[in-house]
Amino acid sequence: GQSLEQPSEVTAVEGAIVQINCTYQTSGFYGLSWYQQHDGGAPTFLSYNALDGLEETGRFSSFLSRSDSYGYLLLQELQMKDSASYFCAVRDRRYSSASKIIFGSGTRLSIRP
Amino acid sequence: DTEVTQTPKHLVMGMTNKKSLKCEQHMGHRAMYWYKQKAKKPPELMFVYSYEKLSINESVPSRFSPECPNSSLLNLHLHALQPEDSALYLCASSQAGLNEKLFFGSGTQLSVL
Repeated sequence: GQSLEQPSEVTAVEGAIVQINCTYQTSGFYGLSWYQQHDGGAPTFLSYNALDGLEETGRFSSFLSRSDSYGYLLLQELQMKDSASYFCAVRDRRYSSASKIIFGSGTRLSIRP
Repeated sequence: DTEVTQTPKHLVMGMTNKKSLKCEQHMGHRAMYWYKQKAKKPPELMFVYSYEKLSINESVPSRFSPECPNSSLLNLHLHALQPEDSALYLCASSQAGLNEKLFFGSGTQLSVL
C-alpha cells in the first residue's frame, strides 16, 4: 500500500521561511509531487522530484531523499497569499496503464502578518 | 489554454434526482480523472480515463457513472445519491501515459439533501 504523512498544520510569519515535511511508505516509488490548494480553489501542481536533491522554482523549493523516504517543500519570503493547503503526492506503482496519484493528508499553512 | 473547466460550480440535488457534472479541457491531454474531496481532506481518486477508455475505477458505487464522450470531455452522471456523497468533485487532466502532473478544474461543490 501507499501512505504519506505530513503535519496537519503549520503557522509562519510573513517574510519568513517554512518547511513542510512529507514521509512516505510505498510499494515502489517513482517520485514525489507537491500541490497547493487555496480554500475553495483547485489543487495546483507545484513541483516533482524523481531524483535525490533540491529543485528550486522561484520562492519554492522541493527536496527528496529516496533512501530516507522523505521529502519537503520549502517556501521562502512567505507572503499572505501562500496561506493554503499543501499536499505531497505519489503515483501508485501498481497501475501501468494510467496514473493513480495518491495525496497525503495535507498541511494547512497559515501566514501571520 | 491551460484550463480545465467544470460545470456547474455548485449543485444541490435531492436523493431521487439525476444530474450530471461536466468537465472540459483543450490542452490535448488524453488522460482525465474524477476526484472527490471532503472538507479538510485530500482529494480521493474515483475514476481515470486514458485515451477515452476507463482505466481505473476505485470501487466507486454505481450511483456514480462516468462517461468520456471524446478526448476533451468528461462527465459524471449522478443518480440516487446519499447525503454522505456531498463533497467537492474535482476533474483533472494530464498528458497521456504515466504522468505526475495533474491539471485540476475548480470543482463542483455538491450538496445532497
